[in-house]
Amino acid sequence: EAGVAQSPRYKIIEKRQSVAFWCNPISGHATLYWYQQILGQGPKLLIQFQNNGVVDDSQLPKDRFSAERLKGVDSTLKIQPAKLEDSAVYLCASTQGQDWGTQYFGPGTRLTVL
Amino acid sequence: AQKITQTQPGMFVQEKEAVTLDCTYDTSDPSYGLFWYKQPSSGEMIFLIYQGSYDQQNATEGRYSLNFQKARKSANLVISASQLGDSAMYFCAMREGSQAGTALIFGKGTTLSVSS
Repeated sequence: EAGVAQSPRYKIIEKRQSVAFWCNPISGHATLYWYQQILGQGPKLLIQFQNNGVVDDSQLPKDRFSAERLKGVDSTLKIQPAKLEDSAVYLCASTQGQDWGTQYFGPGTRLTVL
Repeated sequence: AQKITQTQPGMFVQEKEAVTLDCTYDTSDPSYGLFWYKQPSSGEMIFLIYQGSYDQQNATEGRYSLNFQKARKSANLVISASQLGDSAMYFCAMREGSQAGTALIFGKGTTLSVSS
């Protein structure tokens, strides 16, 4: 079974530029999460989808971050415009709702904002 | 208040020894789940072990076991017979509530270094 796929793995941009990340969850997993992991910290939830609906986006900086999951499968996370403090690893995870709700993570996208 | 506390920024252990990574949690929800993840330098979060709040026995998965002390709100990870490949960052995480599709709350992590 294929795992969670993310691309790109690395991205370097200048502040005020825009960037987009892509995630394809494990097949059949209805719930998808985007986490932000700043260096030296644990991941923090940005947004959670159930199929193509948003369950929780309370910690998403909506003035610059947006995310969508139009067909209930893959998802994109966008930052526009980027700030220096957005430098982090962006992790995508998915869960089926069974198996105790264990979340399976992708390899992450490491973003550096200069 | 922090929901998940990992007080050990770094731990050092020799190969074949056992090591305990500490985790305490804070929740008023009677139903919750506790998870441990491993994050090697490659960055991917790897699921290790799970403990439900109503589970009577401590969870075990191969060389990993979770020392669950509900009254003390602690969920320490025990790695037996450490291997060089165990060197990584380890995160304790909690899901509050009984619904499986709830986001995880992570601690700040503990870096484990295994030497030969």
